[in-house]
Amino acid sequence: AQSVTQPDIHITVSEGASLELRCNYSYGATPYLFWYVQSPGQGLQLLLKYFSGDTLVQGIKGFEAEFKRSQSSFNLRKPSVHWSDAAEYFCAGRLYSGGGADGLTFGKGTHLIIQP
Amino acid sequence: ETGVTQSPTHLIKTRGQQVTLRCSSQSGHNTVSWYQQALGQGPQFIFQYYREEENGRGNFPPRFSGLQFPNYSSELNVNALELDDSALYLCASSRDPNNEQFFGPGTRLTVL
Repeated sequence: AQSVTQPDIHITVSEGASLELRCNYSYGATPYLFWYVQSPGQGLQLLLKYFSGDTLVQGIKGFEAEFKRSQSSFNLRKPSVHWSDAAEYFCAGRLYSGGGADGLTFGKGTHLIIQP
Repeated sequence: ETGVTQSPTHLIKTRGQQVTLRCSSQSGHNTVSWYQQALGQGPQFIFQYYREEENGRGNFPPRFSGLQFPNYSSELNVNALELDDSALYLCASSRDPNNEQFFGPGTRLTVL
């Protein structure tokens, strides 16, 4: 079965420190992969996506993610976090479909806390 | 360019009732997907509509149904509401079924 796993439920990082959020996937083929951010009471905002090609993808707000096929991972990174980065982060994946759609499969999310 | 909008923002219903949630897709998008996000969980795929037809469905019972209109806006209908249907319902639109999805702010449904 297709799945996306985010091993860390909560992560606390000091403001200005670097960040890495983990994401592992399990699919029969290489999926499309996404990272979304959700602030309290809000919808989801797309940070970045991986479809194919360069395995290091750049996103908005200074985020980047690296696709590693050998580790079935798509970890999100940021070199220096800001207090405004505190939010819930979701990794999601889906397979390319020529016709019907399976929709996105989401991980359970990682809650990011920023310490002053 | 207007983003994805959803109405209403909040809704309170009682068990057994029926509810309709609405979504307007982003300009230029012909595909709408619906997700249910329970508290503390990631969103779960309900179904997708593409050019007014259901294009894919997740593991939800038939009492969850939908429509897509010629202007690509969409409705989610839930019959015979249960307490477990309390959740944030998210709508997402995309240029086609295989393109990236852009989410609306969601409708918070509470079933008492």
